[in-house]
Amino acid sequence: AAGVIQSPRHLIKEKRETATLKCYPIPRHDTVYWYQQGPGQDPQFLISFYEKMQSDKGSIPDRFSAQQFSDYHSELNMSSLELGDSALYFCASTPRAVLSPNEAFFGQGTRLTVV
Amino acid sequence: GDSVTQMEGPVTLSEEAFLTINCTYTATGYPSLFWYVQYPGEGLQLLLKATKADDKGSNKGFEATYRKETTSFHLEKGSVQVSDSAVYFCALAPRRRSNFGNEKLTFGTGTRLTIIP
Repeated sequence: AAGVIQSPRHLIKEKRETATLKCYPIPRHDTVYWYQQGPGQDPQFLISFYEKMQSDKGSIPDRFSAQQFSDYHSELNMSSLELGDSALYFCASTPRAVLSPNEAFFGQGTRLTVV
Repeated sequence: GDSVTQMEGPVTLSEEAFLTINCTYTATGYPSLFWYVQYPGEGLQLLLKATKADDKGSNKGFEATYRKETTSFHLEKGSVQVSDSAVYFCALAPRRRSNFGNEKLTFGTGTRLTIIP
């Protein structure tokens, strides 16, 4: 079965550079989420999209932005990178809520290292 | 706001030992509750879930029961294996409050489990 696909798997950037992370949700899933997981930390919610519109916003820095495109893939854009942005970034998607108790399917994550 | 409090780790057990990882939550209404597992270098995988009070989620020998009266969702396994070594996250998601997408997950801090042969 198709899973959530994230790219790239690993990314190394220098301070003040920009990075773009991509996420391809499971087909026919209607909500996409981005989470940030620091070393030894629990995943922290950044932002979510429902049917290509932002549906919720968490602790996402102003330097970050995200969008969902017409083909439902989503991109997380990160500018002016800081050392503290080094983390594992997960994308997740959920099927339509009327059919599911909000079960989220996660991608493998993108490991971003800022040097 | 919603929150999940999870048993601090790390937890180290011998193979075939009994496992309990405690999880309690704070939320309004009746959230859905989940246990996710993260193996080294991998993403989060759903281990089990429960959507209403007294539901028992189970998978791969793991079980957790949704206890509304104690707001708990403790994870248990009768006999752990080396392959169970991973980080376990308890999480909740509130009931969908609008027609505008699903609700986000709130995670506990995770419990690192190491099983030694």
